[in-house]
Amino acid sequence: EAGVAQSPRYKIIEKRQSVAFWCNPISGHATLYWYQQILGQGPKLLIQFQNNGVVDDSQLPKDRFSAERLKGVDSTLKIQPAKLEDSAVYLCASSLERGKISYNEQFFGPGTRLTVL
Amino acid sequence: AQSVAQPEDQVNVAEGNPLTVKCTYSVSGNPYLFWYVQYPNRGLQFLLKYITGDNLVKGSYGFEAEFNKSQTSFHLKKPSALVSDSALYFCAVRDGVLTGGGNKLTFGTGTQLKVEL
Repeated sequence: EAGVAQSPRYKIIEKRQSVAFWCNPISGHATLYWYQQILGQGPKLLIQFQNNGVVDDSQLPKDRFSAERLKGVDSTLKIQPAKLEDSAVYLCASSLERGKISYNEQFFGPGTRLTVL
Repeated sequence: AQSVAQPEDQVNVAEGNPLTVKCTYSVSGNPYLFWYVQYPNRGLQFLLKYITGDNLVKGSYGFEAEFNKSQTSFHLKKPSALVSDSALYFCAVRDGVLTGGGNKLTFGTGTQLKVEL
């Protein structure tokens, strides 16, 4: 079974530039998550989709971050404009959840390491 | 709000000795508890979970964890450590009570396990 795919693996940009990350979840997984993992911390949920609808985006900095999941499969996360504090690893995960109460494990991609100079 | 505490930044153990990585949690409802492992430059990998039932949960690679409701703990254990177990371990919790748009997974800050010969 193919895992969660993410690209690019690494990205270096200057502050105020824009950047986009792509994620392809495991086939058949209805729920997709984007996390931000800052060095020395645990992953923090940015946004959760179920199919192509947003379930939770309460921790997404909406003035600069946006995400979409067209057709309920692939997803992109965009940052515009980037700030120095956005330097982190951005992880995508997917799971089989179909209901609102989630208890299944999540499967994570390798992540995209973003460095903002 | 739910939270997870991993009191040890690093745990050192000799190969062949038992290991314990500590985790305590706080939730409003019933907890859904997870352990993930992260190897360098890779995404998180699921180890085991507690949803309900037997307090001792067995997972991948010989790991197990014990759910203790009175102490609100979910410590990760392995009877005999291997050098290859050296990695970053994250405890995570979901609240069984649905709040807002969903019940997000909240991670601890991680514990670096180092197993030496």
